Amino acid sequence: DADVTQTPRNRITKTGKRIMLECSQTKGHDRMYWYRQDPGLGLRLIYYSFDVKDINKGEISDGYSVSRQAQAKFSLSLESAIPNQTALYFCATSDPGTIYNEQFFGPGTRLTVL
Amino acid sequence: RKEVEQDPGPFNVPEGATVAFNCTYSNSASQSFFWYRQDCRKEPKLLMSVYSSGNEDGRFTAQLNRASQYISLLIRDSKLSDSATYLCVVTNDYKLSFGAGTTVTVRA
Repeated sequence: DADVTQTPRNRITKTGKRIMLECSQTKGHDRMYWYRQDPGLGLRLIYYSFDVKDINKGEISDGYSVSRQAQAKFSLSLESAIPNQTALYFCATSDPGTIYNEQFFGPGTRLTVL
Repeated sequence: RKEVEQDPGPFNVPEGATVAFNCTYSNSASQSFFWYRQDCRKEPKLLMSVYSSGNEDGRFTAQLNRASQYISLLIRDSKLSDSATYLCVVTNDYKLSFGAGTTVTVRA
């Protein structure tokens, strides 16, 4: 079974709709992240959380919010989706106890906003 | 200026060839360096870490030049399965900065 899972895997929605992307992990890692990937751009960090009570904005947090419901769950919400939020979204986890902070990614959610 | 810049390619090489490409980074205080591999819009996966002394992992050799702020990856004896996008990643504490990726296509 996958260590980091994301639901849904694909979603098409309309402008103005609220949508939630969910991430779950069984790796036991404290740190979780949300990224988006657009063609020609690197992955960009939206939000990150170092534990259940810790939420931090990344470089492109406008238009997004997150919730860390438990160590294993980290959800990303788009309160009012707009077309330029069409992208591939990845959740990731890491263990601060490792030297190199390797991040483990979920399979991604492909979101299209019409 | 982007924190991490890569030649997007594509590098189209025959099986058995050697292919090499670089990335540059802008933050001289960057601490750790990696190559991740991403297959066709799937999730990125760590390929290897990069050390100043250079390191090898099978057919892959990575090199870091801190003075010039660039990282290189060399793939020897290319296999069809090496076809992928290679992401250059630079870290500052918790934060990973990703390049947009270099696409390599190995043809039979």
